[in-house]
Amino acid sequence: KNEVEQSPQNLTAQEGEFITINCSYSVGISALHWLQQHPGGGIVSLFMLSSGKKKHGRLIATINIQEKHSSLHITASHPRDSAVYICAVGGGGSNYKLTFGKGTLLTVNP
Amino acid sequence: EPEVTQTPSHQVTQMGQEVILRCVPISNHLYFYWYRQILGQKVEFLVSFYNNEISEKSEIFDDQFSVERPDGSNFTLKIRSTKLEDSAMYFCASKYGYYEQYFGPGTRLTVT
Repeated sequence: KNEVEQSPQNLTAQEGEFITINCSYSVGISALHWLQQHPGGGIVSLFMLSSGKKKHGRLIATINIQEKHSSLHITASHPRDSAVYICAVGGGGSNYKLTFGKGTLLTVNP
Repeated sequence: EPEVTQTPSHQVTQMGQEVILRCVPISNHLYFYWYRQILGQKVEFLVSFYNNEISEKSEIFDDQFSVERPDGSNFTLKIRSTKLEDSAMYFCASKYGYYEQYFGPGTRLTVT
């Protein structure tokens, strides 16, 4: 059973700051997902990673398979980035289920 | 952009009643999932479905739960006799292959 740990649990930043959210997992995986959940509950997929680094706009996600660790970075944070960011992992074939972390609540103040 | 849809957005039911939560996955997707999130807790896997059968189910997914893809477009989760502890947000997700999962907006189930 994979254990997914995220840190920090809560993060408050000022607009423009560089944000880092960390995720570690206990068992080897096929892929790691970063998800965003806004108040009201909907989940949006940000990244799916199996190695290296991906960038989308101001968001960057990295993964170190050997260390079983991933980071999500937000550059030039904005109040609209305020949300819960969730790390989820899956393993074994195409039809893998996701195991979720508890999420990091990010609040960006203007 | 194609999206996963779920209905209803909010369902209130009495304990012991049957509920059916509906999802319309993205049309060419092959793999389908139900997850749930109890208020304040992390998202948990319930069941995966592929090729018209359950691929994997969690310990939560007991005999009170069932899933169906009745017509090739809808994907439903049925809870036969709801309990108070079934109150949660239920998310449907789908994906094509070894790609990211797309989540629906969720159905908030309240059991009174």
